Amino acid sequence: DAGVIQSPRHEVTEMGQEVTLRCKPISGHDYLFWYRQTMMRGLELLIYFNNNVPIDDSGMPEDRFSAKMPNASFSTLKIQPSEPRDSAVYFCASSFHPRRINEKLFFGSGTQLSVL
Amino acid sequence: QKEVEQNSGPLSVPEGAIASLNCTYSDRGSQSFFWYRQYSGKSPELIMSIYSNGDKEDGRFTAQLNKASQYVSLLIRDSQPSDSATYLCAVNSGYALNFGKGTSLLVTP
Repeated sequence: DAGVIQSPRHEVTEMGQEVTLRCKPISGHDYLFWYRQTMMRGLELLIYFNNNVPIDDSGMPEDRFSAKMPNASFSTLKIQPSEPRDSAVYFCASSFHPRRINEKLFFGSGTQLSVL
Repeated sequence: QKEVEQNSGPLSVPEGAIASLNCTYSDRGSQSFFWYRQYSGKSPELIMSIYSNGDKEDGRFTAQLNKASQYVSLLIRDSQPSDSATYLCAVNSGYALNFGKGTSLLVTP
């Protein structure tokens, strides 16, 4: 398997623009997670899905953020409108069954977002 | 709020020494504990997991867990310059992992 695939790797945009980040989880994984990483706040959970259904979006910072998972092999994280404070690395991760002891979380390569 | 706390560092150790990384967590219901290593510009990668009190060894790495004290640690023996990275402690609370902010480790030749 190619692992968790994220695109784009880098995104530079201007304040106010819409940004869409994409993720393809590992085939067969039932859980998909979106994390955001900054120096100040570390790695924060934004939202996670189980079988394409959003389970917990309490980490989504504002209504400007939205996430969807239309099928088992694709998820998007959208920011509209974007702001400079959204600049961060956004990671997508997937796992088969996270409540199993020692279940591993597989991370994508991340999207480095810069909002000017 | 389920907290995972780590010293940010940097922790500097000479090559060949033992590096000791520490983590505390707030959720007493947590069952699984993980150490991830993250090189600059890369994604986190799992190096150790532990769920029982005591020590777990894997090569040069030893994870230690004390649930009563809500404390997890990672020891790296015979530290190498290639071990220089940020080490993230993660705690499984429910279905998601909560991460600490990480400790930066620098191993000097």
